Amino acid sequence: DAMVIQNPRYQVTQFGKPVTLSCSQTLNHNVMYWYQQKSSQAPKLLFHYYDKDFNNEADTPDNFQSRRPNTSFCFLDIRSPGLGDAAMYLCATSRVITGLPTNEKLFFGSGTQLSVL
Amino acid sequence: KNQVEQSPQSLIILEGKNCTLQCNYTVSPFSNLRWYKQDTGRGPVSLTIMTFSENTKSNGRYTATLDADTKQSSLHITASQLSDSASYICVVSAHNQGGKLIFGQGTELSVKP
Repeated sequence: DAMVIQNPRYQVTQFGKPVTLSCSQTLNHNVMYWYQQKSSQAPKLLFHYYDKDFNNEADTPDNFQSRRPNTSFCFLDIRSPGLGDAAMYLCATSRVITGLPTNEKLFFGSGTQLSVL
Repeated sequence: KNQVEQSPQSLIILEGKNCTLQCNYTVSPFSNLRWYKQDTGRGPVSLTIMTFSENTKSNGRYTATLDADTKQSSLHITASQLSDSASYICVVSAHNQGGKLIFGQGTELSVKP
């Protein structure tokens, strides 16, 4: 059974039209992450939540926002998508922060492939 | 600068053969090292996780090794199957840097019949 669920699998939006991607988890994990992965590149961390505490990466554009209304759900809002924002967006969860010396797993969803026309 | 370098960039092998993928890192202070398998168009799936004190870990036909002194890791795949065709990503985390993981660029493995 899927434990980190991302919807939709494919999303097409127009240049400048706001879009929201969703992620839900059944693991009751404390930490939820959003990554952007462009073709043939490594995933790039945009931000993460530890419970309700939001942690933004310094180089994440203001165009990207996130909401976590409860433990299970997390949303990625792109306020004005540009052509350069076309990418795979990956949601991930972990019980504790991945920077700890731990064997705790990081679970990824299947991703949402965003196209911007 | 914290970096993770993987080699080779791509690899083609015949079904049933073994292969070894390499990962070198300069991340400090080291916390843990993870190997992931990512099928095209899908999210990464965890294969192994190793902390500083562990030097080998297996998951079925996948065996990862870690040498924390030389800052090298390898992923050995035994008796490859067509379904092993994927990108294999080495990911290292540094202690006390929050949720930040340093990803390698991946090795694209293609298993041919």
